[in-house]
Amino acid sequence: DIQMTQSPSTLSASVGDRVTITCRASQSISSWLAWYQQKPGKAPKLLIYKASSLESGVPSRFSGSGSGTEFTLSISSLQPDDFATYYCHRYNTYGTFGQGTRVEVK
Amino acid sequence: QVQLVQSGAEVKKPGASVKVSCKTSGYTFSSYGVTWVRQAPGQGPEWMGWINPSDGDTKYAQKFQGRLIVTTDTPTTTAYMELRSLTSDDTAVYFCARAYASGLMGYWGQGTLVTVSS
Repeated sequence: DIQMTQSPSTLSASVGDRVTITCRASQSISSWLAWYQQKPGKAPKLLIYKASSLESGVPSRFSGSGSGTEFTLSISSLQPDDFATYYCHRYNTYGTFGQGTRVEVK
Repeated sequence: QVQLVQSGAEVKKPGASVKVSCKTSGYTFSSYGVTWVRQAPGQGPEWMGWINPSDGDTKYAQKFQGRLIVTTDTPTTTAYMELRSLTSDDTAVYFCARAYASGLMGYWGQGTLVTVSS
């Protein structure tokens, strides 16, 4: 099974900060990587798909990069609504999620 | 607009089965798959399985093989997830999601809490 490892598990930041989250796959997944944002009691929300494509309606401060085994999600200028937990998800028929990165107020 | 509406919370005893429904609307049901994902309290999401409503093809995560059944009913555009031989480890919120053939999930249901307790 392909394992997905995210880091850090918790990130403390302030409004306006640039934030970067990393996701590593245990073997190459090409660009079959998505990023989701989740808030308490809600379903995950798709932000990025195919490693770097921005989902319609998602603010441009979110961006994704990488391929193969190393991927990053960046938020260029953190906004109050961005404090949440973020998950990477490798797809291509079967799926595996990373363990999550909680972005909290510094 | 695309909507996935799931059935209500369930409380089950260990050893029992649970069946959760996911009523879809706002799109052509047979054109997208349906994926089931669960999330235990305080944990990340866990991918469980996927079904293609157009031909009934299914894929299951290895850990659920033999215990999980996902089905669809095309006339009512509803998907179902049945999990058998429940244990306390199955206590979680269960989500359905509309999925492309690649497995990418864009629209999600609201989640159904399943509690397994004696």
